[in-house]
Parts: sequence; C-alpha cells; structure tokens
Amino acid sequence: GQSLEQPSEVTAVEGAIVQINCTYQTSGFYGLSWYQQHDGGAPTFLSYNALDGLEETGRFSSFLSRSDSYGYLLLQELQMKDSASYFCAVREDDKIIFGKGTRLHILP
Amino acid sequence: DTAVSQTPKYLVTQMGNDKSIKCEQNLGHDTMYWYKQDSKKFLKIMFSYNNKELIINETVPNRFSPKSPDKAHLNLHINSLELGDSAVYFCASSPTGTSGRYGTDTQYFGPGTRLTVL
Repeated sequence: GQSLEQPSEVTAVEGAIVQINCTYQTSGFYGLSWYQQHDGGAPTFLSYNALDGLEETGRFSSFLSRSDSYGYLLLQELQMKDSASYFCAVREDDKIIFGKGTRLHILP
Repeated sequence: DTAVSQTPKYLVTQMGNDKSIKCEQNLGHDTMYWYKQDSKKFLKIMFSYNNKELIINETVPNRFSPKSPDKAHLNLHINSLELGDSAVYFCASSPTGTSGRYGTDTQYFGPGTRLTVL
C-alpha cells in the first residue's frame, strides 16, 4: 500500500534551524512535494523534488533521496510566522498522496 | 485576482440535506481536484478532473458527485448529508495534468469550505 510517514509535531526556537523528515512507500513515484498550512488556511506549495539532492528557495530547502525513499524540509532562521503544519506529498500516477502533516511549534 | 475560489466558505446544515460547493479557477489549469480534510488535519484526495474528464475517483460514497461544466469549474454535490461528512473541503488545480512526470507538480488550493452537519 501507499504510505507517507512524518513526525506529528516538532518544536524549535525562533532563529534556529529545523528539519522535518518524510519517508514514503509507494508503488510508483514521480516526485516529493512540501506544503505549508496555517491554522484556518489552505495548503500552499513550498517545494518539489523529482531528482535526488537539495533544492533551495530562500529560507526553505528540500532534500530527496530516491534510493532511501526519504526526503526532508529544512527551515532556517525560523520566524514565528513559520508556525504551521507542513505536509509532504507524493505523486503516484494520477494521484497526490499527502502525509498526515507535521505541526511546527516555534518558541520565542 | 483570486486564483482558486470556493463558495460558500462556511456551510452549516442538517443531516439528510443535499448541498453543493462551487469551485472556480482562473489559472488556465487543465486539472482540478477535491480534497477532504478531517478534524485530524488528514488531507485526502476525493476526485480529480482533467479537461472536464473524471480521472480519479477515490473510495468516496456515491452520495458525493462532482460536476465539471468546463475546465475552469469543478463543483461538488453531496446528497443525504451525514454527521461524518463534517470537514473542510478544498478545491485545487494544477497545470501538470494527469502525469506529474514533468514540471513542479504544484497544486493551488482554494480557501476551503468548512462543512458542519448537525
């Protein structure tokens, strides 16, 4: 079956760096995406990795290792506004499968 | 301009009623989706349409029926509402069509419709 595993909660301090991991198990794989969702809001796209390696977009970076079926989202210079839920998602043929989300708590 | 819009934003109704949620995107995308997000924040795909054609129909009760009058609109009709249907329903669109093999596979989500069934 298909599954994505990510931690349910992570806590970090403002200004620090945090890594949110995602492991996946799917029958087919095209790429790994990350989405951010604030309370009461809609998911918004952050990044996408189709190939192994690190993709950097400002304070956010995303990494993929296809051989390990593993990826992570790295958030640097954490700000209070980064408090949100983060979802990894995998495209398998025509379907997008989302992980259950990681709630990021940021302490001042 | 709003990229993906949904109406209504909130919907409170009684069990057994029939209701519809409308979605429109002005991004020119070919593919649209409906997702259900439950109280535990689990986001699950329900349907996917590509150019008005149904592509994905997950294990969803047949009380849920999507309708796509054109590729910019994907509406969701729900018959005989049940308590368990209470959730937030998100519409989304993407430019990558039925295969995510190329491109960034970005999904653009609407603001969501919070459905409460009493």
